[in-house]
Amino acid sequence: GQQVMQIPQYQHVQEGEDFTTYCNSSTTLSNIQWYKQRPGGHPVFLIQLVKSGEVKKQKRLTFQFGEAKKNSSLHITATQTTDVGTYFCAGRSGNTGKLIFGQGTTLQVKP
Amino acid sequence: DSGVTQTPKHLITATGQRVTLRCSPRSGDLSVYWYQQSLDQGLQFLIQYYNGEERAKGNILERFSAQQFPDLHSELNLSSLELGDSALYFCASSRLGTGDYEQYFGPGTRLTVT
Repeated sequence: GQQVMQIPQYQHVQEGEDFTTYCNSSTTLSNIQWYKQRPGGHPVFLIQLVKSGEVKKQKRLTFQFGEAKKNSSLHITATQTTDVGTYFCAGRSGNTGKLIFGQGTTLQVKP
Repeated sequence: DSGVTQTPKHLITATGQRVTLRCSPRSGDLSVYWYQQSLDQGLQFLIQYYNGEERAKGNILERFSAQQFPDLHSELNLSSLELGDSALYFCASSRLGTGDYEQYFGPGTRLTVT
């Protein structure tokens, strides 16, 4: 079945350092969504990418969708303690709402 | 606050028992999704309903069932509970059911099976 792999599983950075998480799918995706889950919280939608090679920015966050629509990345520039949490990518490859979530990358930021 | 409500927040029960988790979607959302989150399995998609009809199915166990009612709230029924069913169960909703829309997650129900 369809799988979405996400690396790394954990990342510890010093505040101010950059952070990147990568997402790879075993199949071509229709779109990919990114969510953030704070400790003890629920996943919150960040962004959706649809087009091949698409790049979107939200302040210090940059999201990319690969040319083949099988991989994606999230890059955070100059991390802050408020960036702490688990970042999930979620891919869709059909016309239902079914999303396959990656395992998530848990980011810890040392002040 | 996402606008999605889930009850109860916590549930502690014994093996072999049956429980029902309830979810009310955001106002105007027609689609409801159920996910299971455990430490070693991440976020696992269980099932999706759209306007009362089952739309997509994930790796949902036969012991689990769900439905969406005419008022669009949904219930997830878990029966013959096992220790391994202990997890956080999230409900999410979206405006439509095609996967082009962001999903709004509720606060979750933490189930502990003893």
